[in-house]
Order: sequence, then C-alpha cells, then structure tokens
Amino acid sequence: DSGVTQTPKHLITATGQRVTLRCSPRSGDLSVYWYQQSLDQGLQFLIQYYNGEERAKGNILERFSAQQFPDLHSELNLSSLELGDSALYFCASSVGTSGRNEQFFGPGTRLTVL
Amino acid sequence: DAKTTQPTSMDCAEGRAANLPCNHSTISGNEYVYWYRQIHSQGPQYIIHGLKNNETNEMASLIITEDRKSSTLILPHATLRDTAVYYCIVANNNDMRFGAGTRLTVKP
Repeated sequence: DSGVTQTPKHLITATGQRVTLRCSPRSGDLSVYWYQQSLDQGLQFLIQYYNGEERAKGNILERFSAQQFPDLHSELNLSSLELGDSALYFCASSVGTSGRNEQFFGPGTRLTVL
Repeated sequence: DAKTTQPTSMDCAEGRAANLPCNHSTISGNEYVYWYRQIHSQGPQYIIHGLKNNETNEMASLIITEDRKSSTLILPHATLRDTAVYYCIVANNNDMRFGAGTRLTVKP
C-alpha cells in the first residue's frame, strides 16, 4: 500500500460525458501527479501540482483539467469524452518537486468510455 | 529529459540474480536515474534511484557507470513475485517520461 488513494476504482461512461477522478496523496506529500496509461500509449505524464499550484504539464489534452485543493487532494476532470480516453489513470505523490524525490503511485482508476 | 533504451523482455530463473540494463547516453549532469516497476495493471512501484554513486536498498541495487551513460538494476534473488515491467527513467524534475520498459519474467 503506497498511501495514495484514488476513487473511483472503475468508471464506465458514454462518449460526450464528463467525469471527475479523485486522488488523495500520502500524508505529508505536497506534489501530486496525474498519468494516463492506455494499451497503445504506455504511461503518459499529464500534469503535476505542487501545494495547490500547477508545476509541470505533459501530454494533457485541452478537454482535461486538474486542480489541487487546500487539503492537497487533487481532482482530474475529463470532459467531452471520446472512446480513445478509455485508459487507466494513475495519481502519484511526492514530498517535493525536485528530481531527488521518488513518486508513490495510487492503484489507479480504470475509465471505460462506451 | 534524456531518453532511455531498455531490452523489451528478459527471463530470469527463480532464486538467481536479475540484471536489467538501461542505456541513457544523453543524460545530463543534473539528471537522476530512477527505476520503477509495474506488476500487471497495478500502480507503478518505486524501486531505487541514484545520481552518480551506486545505490542499494532492501529491494535492489543500482549500478551506474562512471560516465553515467548506462546503468544496471540488480534484483539479487529474484522471486516469482518480481515478474513485472521494469522502467528506467532519467529526470531532473518530476516530469517523468516512462518508456516501454523491460518485461521481466521470473521462471520457476
């Protein structure tokens, strides 16, 4: 158990819909990261937040957005969903932002878009 | 971030050491070498990281060449539960780019 929690575990929805994925970091961690893992793309970094502020952006689509709240939990919002958005979405957390800090991953949310 | 090259797959006998290589010839001076693994569809698990010196923890050892252009992750006594995809990543911040990794299969 990494100490990072993600809800829900599974999510099934239809094209065009909007969903919100939730992540609670390990106690004491200030950074939260979101990743997408689909069968044909591997693990792709989406976005990082540190203490409530966006710190780094990866391959995140404009239809996707995220935020980190004062209690440090984070939400990833996916809108206008397409079939290709079906994937595992992982959240990770770390103490800080530098390259010295390892990331701890949650169990993931499996999103299926029908 | 520097790109890494890893073998697509490797086999290892149970109880033997598993040596997983990684090439990162374009690594910058301030970039760390990280290893993670992913068992089936679980969240990736941190294993070890280092900058210049060799590192060891309860899970594995990391050997980094003097020129830092390659590294080897060593699992000293592989078990069936070590079967996973192993990712080698070089990064100087937390924008980690995972490649395809090496699929390690530990066989009885």
